[in-house]
Amino acid sequence: GENVEQHPSTLSVQEGDSAVIKCTYSDSASNYFPWYKQELGKRPQLIIDIRSNVGEKKDQRIAVTLNKTAKHFSLHITETQPEDSAVYFCAASKTGNQFYFGTGTSLTVIP
Amino acid sequence: KAGVTQTPRYLIKTRGQQVTLSCSPISGHRSVSWYQQTPGQGLQFLFEYFSETQRNKGNFPGRFSGRQFSNSRSEMNVSTLELGDSALYLCASSWDSIAGELFFGEGSRLTVL
Repeated sequence: GENVEQHPSTLSVQEGDSAVIKCTYSDSASNYFPWYKQELGKRPQLIIDIRSNVGEKKDQRIAVTLNKTAKHFSLHITETQPEDSAVYFCAASKTGNQFYFGTGTSLTVIP
Repeated sequence: KAGVTQTPRYLIKTRGQQVTLSCSPISGHRSVSWYQQTPGQGLQFLFEYFSETQRNKGNFPGRFSGRQFSNSRSEMNVSTLELGDSALYLCASSWDSIAGELFFGEGSRLTVL
């Protein structure tokens, strides 16, 4: 089956700096790659996603890049703010709503 | 509109017991999937239901089962509970069966003693 690895597991940045989280996947048939943000004690929520026919997608301060050849995708957050502090999960899917999630990155933005 | 609702939110069971968790999806959503969340393991896929049919199943033992009703509400059952089953069980609904945004519930936190 699919295996999604996520790095780093923890990340601390100064407010205003950029944060980058990387994920790799093993199944070349995977074609949909969402990113979820989970604040402490709350449910995961989708923040951005990308499909395999697109190399990059941006939404304000958040962007995702996908390299199908290398089978990796990354989340980029620019101008980080304290409210960006949360756990971020990457995921991959090739069929239906069966997602394989990474183990999460705990991001702390230091004011 | 109302979000995904899971009940109960918290429960404590002892080894060997069984438990049933319930999930009401967003109105109009026909796909319901279940995930187990544990520290260090992230979210692990249990199963997905669409129009009362199990479409996909994750790598969990047969003690984990589920079903979906005609109104799209779903239940999952864990029999013969083990200590390792302690986790947050998240239900997620989606509009259809094509991979897209999952709308998660707040989860049911199960503790097995």
